[in-house]
Amino acid sequence: AAGVIQSPRHLIKEKRETATLKCYPIPRHDTVYWYQQGPGQDPQFLISFYEKMQSDKGSIPDRFSAQQFSDYHSELNMSSLELGDSALYFCASSTRRYSNQPQHFGDGTRLSIL
Amino acid sequence: RKEVEQDPGPFNVPEGATVAFNCTYSNSASQSFFWYRQDCRKEPKLLMSVYSSGNEDGRFTAQLNRASQYISLLIRDSKLSDSATYLCAVTGYGGSQGNLIFGKGTKLSVKP
Repeated sequence: AAGVIQSPRHLIKEKRETATLKCYPIPRHDTVYWYQQGPGQDPQFLISFYEKMQSDKGSIPDRFSAQQFSDYHSELNMSSLELGDSALYFCASSTRRYSNQPQHFGDGTRLSIL
Repeated sequence: RKEVEQDPGPFNVPEGATVAFNCTYSNSASQSFFWYRQDCRKEPKLLMSVYSSGNEDGRFTAQLNRASQYISLLIRDSKLSDSATYLCAVTGYGGSQGNLIFGKGTKLSVKP
């Protein structure tokens, strides 16, 4: 079965650079979530989109923005990168057509800031 | 106080053992509950959803106690391949949808 696809898998950037992470949800999933997981931490919710509109916002820094496109893929744009942004970034997708649907996670993007 | 709290772990058990993990959540409006398994440096993988009546999937049994805001996961006949971190997750803003809030995870190590 098709899963959530994220790219790139690994990304190395320097401080103050920008980065764009991409997420392709499971087909027919209408909701995308972004999470950040620092070393030894649990995943922290950043932002979500439902039917291409921002749905909820979590602990996403103002330096980050995201959007969901007409084909339901989503991009997380990160600017003025800081050392503390080094983390695993996961995208998850689900559908709101039915209640209690679980979220399925992509493999993640490992971002390292030098 | 964290919104979702789990047993601190780690749990080191021999193959074949039965092990139970507990999780408590603070938002009484949460409607959806899940257990995820995460291997080192990999994505969380859905293990099972947790339903009010309790549910079982092979060697895994999940229970929910809404009155006590408590979720549990029981693993019977542990296998070496069960070694992982187990994350409890609940919906964050109440209702049955929305972002997940995770516990810090409980690490399980199954030894031969």
